[in-house]
Amino acid sequence: QKEVEQNSGPLSVPEGAIASLNCTYSDRGSQSFFWYRQYSGKSPELIMSIYSNGDKEDGRFTAQLNKASQYVSLLIRDSQPSDSATYLCAVSGGGADGLTFGKGTHLIIQP
Amino acid sequence: GAVVSQHPSRVICKSGTSVKIECRSLDFQATTMFWYRQFPKQSLMLMATSNEGSKATYEQGVEKDKFLINHASLTLSTLTVTSAHPEDSSFYICSASAIQGGAGEQFFGPGTRLTVL
Repeated sequence: QKEVEQNSGPLSVPEGAIASLNCTYSDRGSQSFFWYRQYSGKSPELIMSIYSNGDKEDGRFTAQLNKASQYVSLLIRDSQPSDSATYLCAVSGGGADGLTFGKGTHLIIQP
Repeated sequence: GAVVSQHPSRVICKSGTSVKIECRSLDFQATTMFWYRQFPKQSLMLMATSNEGSKATYEQGVEKDKFLINHASLTLSTLTVTSAHPEDSSFYICSASAIQGGAGEQFFGPGTRLTVL
């Protein structure tokens, strides 16, 4: 069974600092990796996607993938209170595969 | 771009009734749509994958006769919860993928909160 593990938190980070979120996955055949942000009572919003080893940067967000270690991370620079949310790591086999989600990390940015 | 809508956003029904939820991709053609549900304090769990014009593929443990999925066009999929019971109360979220093959980013609808009394 495919599993995606995340630390549930809460992870508390001061405003302006870097927030670091981590995720491991069990299926070595996974091809596509995503970070979603979910506010309470709302549906997930896509933040980043990454498909190959290394780093991918988009604004204040950097996703990192290490397939050998089966590890994905998300860095949020210059954290803002509006970044406070639950961050979901999701993994798929690519193509038309559904996503396997972790339970999410609850991030709190302290003003 | 990549906007997905769902209707209704919230529904309350009596036990034993059926509820239909619509999922639409508004600005792209979705070759594949997915249905997830999320119980309180839990993560999203994939229920089924639907492709336009073919039968849905259900995840293990999801009853296909209880959760009827129809994907009649490239922009519309429906989920019908038949004979709903209180344990079916959950947040149902659809997603759509515009890419056939490839990496498959999914864009989520706003969700439907179902409460069965």
